[in-house]
Amino acid sequence: DVKVTQSSRYLVKRTGEKVFLECVQDMDHENMFWYRQDPGLGLRLIYFSYDVKMKEKGDIPEGYSVSREKKERFSLILESASTNQTSMYLCASSLSPGQNFQETQYFGPGTRLLVL
Amino acid sequence: AQSVTQLDSQVPVFEEAPVELRCNYSSSVSVYLFWYVQYPNQGLQLLLKYLSGSTLVKGINGFEAEFNKSQTSFHLRKPSVHISDTAEYFCAVIRTGGFKTIFGAGTRLFVKA
Repeated sequence: DVKVTQSSRYLVKRTGEKVFLECVQDMDHENMFWYRQDPGLGLRLIYFSYDVKMKEKGDIPEGYSVSREKKERFSLILESASTNQTSMYLCASSLSPGQNFQETQYFGPGTRLLVL
Repeated sequence: AQSVTQLDSQVPVFEEAPVELRCNYSSSVSVYLFWYVQYPNQGLQLLLKYLSGSTLVKGINGFEAEFNKSQTSFHLRKPSVHISDTAEYFCAVIRTGGFKTIFGAGTRLFVKA
């Protein structure tokens, strides 16, 4: 079974702090994604990566950056946390050789971030 | 651009009753369609997907969905629900050759005894 793990289930940070969210997948997947989940809005794509050191912006990249130095690890960075970044953050991965993005995405359990 | 509309934000239903969760999408090009389920305090997992072929797709846990191209719909159905089906369900679409999956806002299914 594919396993996607996220470093924290719950996180409380203060406004202005730099926040790191880590995601690790164990199935050698090419693609990794960071989403933000808010009630009534579903999931919105922040960034995705289709290879090591490669990244593409999603729908809401402002205030976030990402890093993918190793294939299995994809980090989301909030450079200066703000209260409007309080949300549930979900990481996902998919096996998509040749960048076929219709493959099933496998999700981690999520990190619930509260910014005070 | 693609978009996904889940017509019901919440669906309460009694155990062993049938249920239909509605999903409509808009796209000017061909798409792939998905239903994901999120149980409390968990990430999403795939229920079923439509890529091509038969328009009736069967998934896990007794769920099925029918792709209707003329009505641009992909409704999810189950003939008899269990308490354990209580969860949030997300419809999603990605255009053929695209890289971004678009998710609907979700439908919360409450199954009551």
